[in-house]
Amino acid sequence: DAKTTQPPSMDCAEGRAANLPCNHSTISGNEYVYWYRQIHSQGPQYIIHGLKNNETNEMASLIITEDRKSSTLILPHATLRDTAVYYCIVRVEYNNNDMRFGAGTRLTVKP
Amino acid sequence: NAGVTQTPKFRILKIGQSMTLQCTQDMNHNYMYWYRQDPGMGLKLIYYSVGAGITDKGEVPNGYNVSRSTTEDFPLRLELAAPSQTSVYFCASSLMTGNSPLHFGNGTRLTVT
Repeated sequence: DAKTTQPPSMDCAEGRAANLPCNHSTISGNEYVYWYRQIHSQGPQYIIHGLKNNETNEMASLIITEDRKSSTLILPHATLRDTAVYYCIVRVEYNNNDMRFGAGTRLTVKP
Repeated sequence: NAGVTQTPKFRILKIGQSMTLQCTQDMNHNYMYWYRQDPGMGLKLIYYSVGAGITDKGEVPNGYNVSRSTTEDFPLRLELAAPSQTSVYFCASSLMTGNSPLHFGNGTRLTVT
């Protein structure tokens, strides 16, 4: 699977949009981009995934560049409860055993 | 649905002791996984199973064993506990379909002294 690069930490003001970047410059054509988050010491929680089109759900939006070498997770109105470690993962469809979690980005939402 | 349930939440073992970490899911998911997470690090896959009776090694299987006799349960066995196995262990499950997300339990915090 392609490796991903994320900043180790970011801050965001409460109520503002949080934009979390992820670089995956060696991504293959059949690899999807996934985002999970881990709040405090809980188990990771799925947020969103996409292949090449932008995706939106009730939690977040995922913007993937046209060349697919990077993506951005957007939390439109961050709250204190969004403080967590966010993981960007790429993997081939059907390969759940290759879901590799790196160190992620620690997002701190400040009042 | 309770989702993925792990027991115990915390455990302290002495070196050389053995224990089984329990994991059960009530979502009828075919796939189940065990991960470990060391402090400040991401998760690493220990073992996974694609269905009852089928298991396979992940990235860091040494020192662990698993079994999958039912769809619901996927216990993780530590035979001779070592300090290097001090970690937080997460169990997860997913449907068999291609892009189904992983559902995680809340973890077991294990300390080996």
